[in-house]
Amino acid sequence: EIVLTQSPATLSLSPGERATLSCGASQSVRGRYLAWYQQKPGLAPRLLIYDASSRATGIPDRFSGSGSGTDFTLTISRLEPEDFAVYYCQQYGTSPQTFGQGTKVEIK
Amino acid sequence: EVQLVESGGGLVQPGGSLRLSCAISGFTFSSYWMHWVRQAPGKGLVWVSRINNDGSSITYADSVKGRFTISRDNAKNTLYLQMNSLRAEDTAVYYCARVSPLGYQLNWGQGTLVTVSS
Repeated sequence: EIVLTQSPATLSLSPGERATLSCGASQSVRGRYLAWYQQKPGLAPRLLIYDASSRATGIPDRFSGSGSGTDFTLTISRLEPEDFAVYYCQQYGTSPQTFGQGTKVEIK
Repeated sequence: EVQLVESGGGLVQPGGSLRLSCAISGFTFSSYWMHWVRQAPGKGLVWVSRINNDGSSITYADSVKGRFTISRDNAKNTLYLQMNSLRAEDTAVYYCARVSPLGYQLNWGQGTLVTVSS
């Protein structure tokens, strides 16, 4: 199965700053079939990005995704207070689908 | 509004069984594949199982194959996960999710906690 490695494990930033989260795959992700989810404590994950760079319905444009092959990035252009959460990448191009271990974006 | 509501979690002894349910509303259930995904306490997300829209195609993660059974009742708008021979490592919050045609999770339920412990 494809192993996804997210870095860094924790990102300490202030509101208004730019956040750059990385997701590396152990082998090429077919078709750029990579998604990003946001999860807040005690809540279910929420889809942010699919197909590596397409924003899900209702997701603000400060969230953007990029990448292909084995290297993908989620960028939050200017952090809002509600953006502090854990972010997971997921590949769904090869069965079984797999998730990264998560990056926590915390308030500095 | 799309809603997925899981139920059936609880405390069970090792070797025991539980049946989770996921009641859906706000979309045409019979048109979508559905997944179960779990999250152990303080850990990340792990895909468990998937079922196609009419129940004719099913896949499981190796870790649950032979012990868990996914099913659906399109007339009742409900997804199920029968869990047998439970182990301590099955302890997790179990989420049901509506899935896009490509396989990413569009919507998630709030989750139900399963605790396997003596």
